[in-house]
Amino acid sequence: GESVGLHLPTLSVQEGDNSIINCAYSNSASDYFIWYKQESGKGPQFIIDIRSNMDKRQGQRVTVLLNKTVKHLSLQIAATQPGDSAVYFCAESPFSGGYNKLIFGAGTRLAVHP
Amino acid sequence: EAGVTQSPTHLIKTRGQQATLRCSPISGHTSVYWYQQALGLGLQFLLWYDEGEERNRGNFPPRFSGRQFPNYSSELNVNALELEDSALYLCASSRDRGTETQYFGPGTRLLVL
Repeated sequence: GESVGLHLPTLSVQEGDNSIINCAYSNSASDYFIWYKQESGKGPQFIIDIRSNMDKRQGQRVTVLLNKTVKHLSLQIAATQPGDSAVYFCAESPFSGGYNKLIFGAGTRLAVHP
Repeated sequence: EAGVTQSPTHLIKTRGQQATLRCSPISGHTSVYWYQQALGLGLQFLLWYDEGEERNRGNFPPRFSGRQFPNYSSELNVNALELEDSALYLCASSRDRGTETQYFGPGTRLLVL
């Protein structure tokens, strides 16, 4: 079946440290990838995206790295803050008549400690 | 600009009943997507609607259905509810069928007893 990072690990970091959240994807045909943040009781919030013709993309305090050779994504959060505590999902989008379907991983829980 | 809205926030039903969930996309968005987020299973793609038509569906039985209205809002209907249907149902919208960025609503939490 389709799968993106089925395991749900927990990453604990100290406030101010950098965080790295990893994700493995399975569909070689995927050419668009997104990271979402989901806080308790809320829907997923778009963080950053990257296309397959790029290896790296930076946003505000966040960087996404894409390694197509090993089908791996990572999200780096600089100077992690308590407000970053949430579950982070990577999602892939196989191009098929338009980007109409996202395949999500199970997510990683980020816990930021003061 | 208002985000994606969903109603109700919570819904409690008994096995065998029907549930109707509603979604209003971001203004100007024409595509609506439904996902199921059950405990331990992540987000699973359910349905995609664009311009009033069902364009794609995930691996769910036919008792999961829906529709999209002329104003692009959408309904998800789940018939003959089963205990395993208890989950958070998320709606997302995107600007059009070729736009990949999907923005999510807060979800409807469905509990089947």
